[in-house]
Amino acid sequence: GDSVTQMEGPVTLSEEAFLTINCTYTATGYPSLFWYVQYPGEGLQLLLKATKADDKGSNKGFEATYRKETTSFHLEKGSVQVSDSAVYFCALRYLGGSQGNLIFGKGTKLSVKP
Amino acid sequence: GAGVSQSPSNKVTEKGKDVELRCDPISGHTALYWYRQSLGQGLEFLIYFQGNSAPDKSGLPSDRFSAERTGGSVSTLTIQRTQQEDSAVYLCASSSVGGSTDTQYFGPGTRLTVL
Repeated sequence: GDSVTQMEGPVTLSEEAFLTINCTYTATGYPSLFWYVQYPGEGLQLLLKATKADDKGSNKGFEATYRKETTSFHLEKGSVQVSDSAVYFCALRYLGGSQGNLIFGKGTKLSVKP
Repeated sequence: GAGVSQSPSNKVTEKGKDVELRCDPISGHTALYWYRQSLGQGLEFLIYFQGNSAPDKSGLPSDRFSAERTGGSVSTLTIQRTQQEDSAVYLCASSSVGGSTDTQYFGPGTRLTVL
């Protein structure tokens, strides 16, 4: 079945370090891809999205490129801040069908130390 | 309202009791989703509404779970005869039309604890 696999956490980085969180997907169709973030004590928020191959989603210094050839959507940020500490979820969603639900990876917890 | 709201924020119940969880979507959003977030299973899809209809109930884990939506707005997720494995955070999300590129906006969740 369709699924999303993302790197296991937790990931601990120092402030200003480079961040990569790997995400790969398995899908029978052509999904849209998303990164959601959950800050401590808060609900899930959309961070960025890409709806077709080679699209790059970006927000708050984070970027991810939809790579159809490698079925990947890795999240990157050039210089993380303490305030980026959160759980990050990669997700996919289909272009067609009646569902429209998101299929999530298991989440990667990021801790950024000052 | 400004965002998706859910109530209660926390619910503690005894095994075997029924519980009702409520979701108020963003005004005008026709699509509504229920998810469950638990330590062992991550984020799981439960059910999807388009208007008042639920075309996809495939994620409901058992027949103890049911959901309804009335007036194309508020939705209620009911769990009958709760079990300890039902303990989780139940999240509701809404989107404007339910299309694949639509952004889903999540509520803060209801944390359910079954003793």
